[in-house]
Amino acid sequence: GAGVSQSPRYKVAKRGQDVALRCDPISGHVSLFWYQQALGQGPEFLTYFQNEAQLDKSGLPSDRFFAERPEGSVSTLKIQRTQQEDSAVYLCASSLGLNTEAFFGQGTRLTVV
Amino acid sequence: GENVEQHPSTLSVQEGDSAVIKCTYSDSASNYFPWYKQELGKGPQLIIDIRSNVGEKKDQRIAVTLNKTAKHFSLHITETQPEDSAVYFCAARGLTGGGNKLTFGTGTQLKVEL
Repeated sequence: GAGVSQSPRYKVAKRGQDVALRCDPISGHVSLFWYQQALGQGPEFLTYFQNEAQLDKSGLPSDRFFAERPEGSVSTLKIQRTQQEDSAVYLCASSLGLNTEAFFGQGTRLTVV
Repeated sequence: GENVEQHPSTLSVQEGDSAVIKCTYSDSASNYFPWYKQELGKGPQLIIDIRSNVGEKKDQRIAVTLNKTAKHFSLHITETQPEDSAVYFCAARGLTGGGNKLTFGTGTQLKVEL
């Protein structure tokens, strides 16, 4: 596709449930990022991939958060045992490589009830 | 790590007036400063960016200025139109933490009134 695609657009999870969020980056983009955006706040960095290698996961808030990009294209962000404070919009971005423009997807709005 | 502050949090202007949003950053090693526009229910969209070797950049009604000494950068929108209404985020990218993550400001809700 022409842009970064994320699915699902909306996800409601019961507290304690596991969720998986998908990101399809722009074709050929080597770098992929996940950000978390709480209501009324700016996006906050979670993790970064260069191809299939996860080079920075310093922003993941706990060990319940796990991200993968096994073939260097599609990425999945998994949250285990969801809690109410995990409610946020999860944004994926991709770029051609280091020091290049990052393009964002529309995000997945996660609501934990 | 990097810290980006953004002001004001809300800004209301009359159509045709100019709007200015200001940001400061803390990491002197930061070298790339993009501005994103986010409309309701959508992801951030890059509108303009500036690198640390440039002091000013302009694209039609939008301009960005950078003062590396003071660690300030600003977004200027001239001749505002109703479709400019959105939340605007500044961001900074430095060399720490792998050199590729963006640190965002807290956003400015811009409202252009008719």
